[in-house]
Amino acid sequence: EVQLVESGGGLIQPGGSLRLSCGASGFTVSSNYMSWVRQAPGKGLEWVSIIYSGGRTLYADSVKGRFTISRDNSKNTLYLQMNSLRAEDTAVYYCAKRGGADSYDFWGQGTMVTVSS
Amino acid sequence: SYELTQPPSVSVSPGQTASITCSGDKLGDKYVSWYQQKPGQSPVVVIYQDTKRPSGIPERLSGSNSGNTATLTISGTQAMDEADYYCQAWDSSNVVFGGGTKLTVL
Repeated sequence: EVQLVESGGGLIQPGGSLRLSCGASGFTVSSNYMSWVRQAPGKGLEWVSIIYSGGRTLYADSVKGRFTISRDNSKNTLYLQMNSLRAEDTAVYYCAKRGGADSYDFWGQGTMVTVSS
Repeated sequence: SYELTQPPSVSVSPGQTASITCSGDKLGDKYVSWYQQKPGQSPVVVIYQDTKRPSGIPERLSGSNSGNTATLTISGTQAMDEADYYCQAWDSSNVVFGGGTKLTVL
């Protein structure tokens, strides 16, 4: 059974850093395209980043240069390192596995990140 | 940057057909996925590759995509279909989501 479990969220001051983790089971992270998607309170879904199976990474313009997606193959875990956090980064962060035809077939339960002083 | 436009809300009576549209430039040239999200839950894919349903998704949900518009159609709408729905596509190595549509079953 495929499972994704995010962790690492919390309350952080503006300008601070946080690292989110997404532990996977039931499949191999390194063999799949994996993304982070976020959702600000009461708002819609916003794609944040993707890491391809080959290691290539892409980022939304809103986080480029501040966020870094990575994975640890030995732990089958996906990460999102978030630096220089801003109030507008406040959101639930989901990790998601890409499935067929560019869709996301499995999502984690999400972890809340609140950027506030 | 590429944009996908959805109506903020759609209302439907139980048993009737609901249609949720998603518009984007030459959207018919891309694959569109649709996600259902209920309050406090993670999104669930209900349609991928324009028209395909994952296992476990009821047949009353269907999708189409042509020209500049993709449509999610829910036939015989039930109370359990009340949720937020998001379309999604890829454009130039960027993933794009529509703004979401709140489906209300009156």
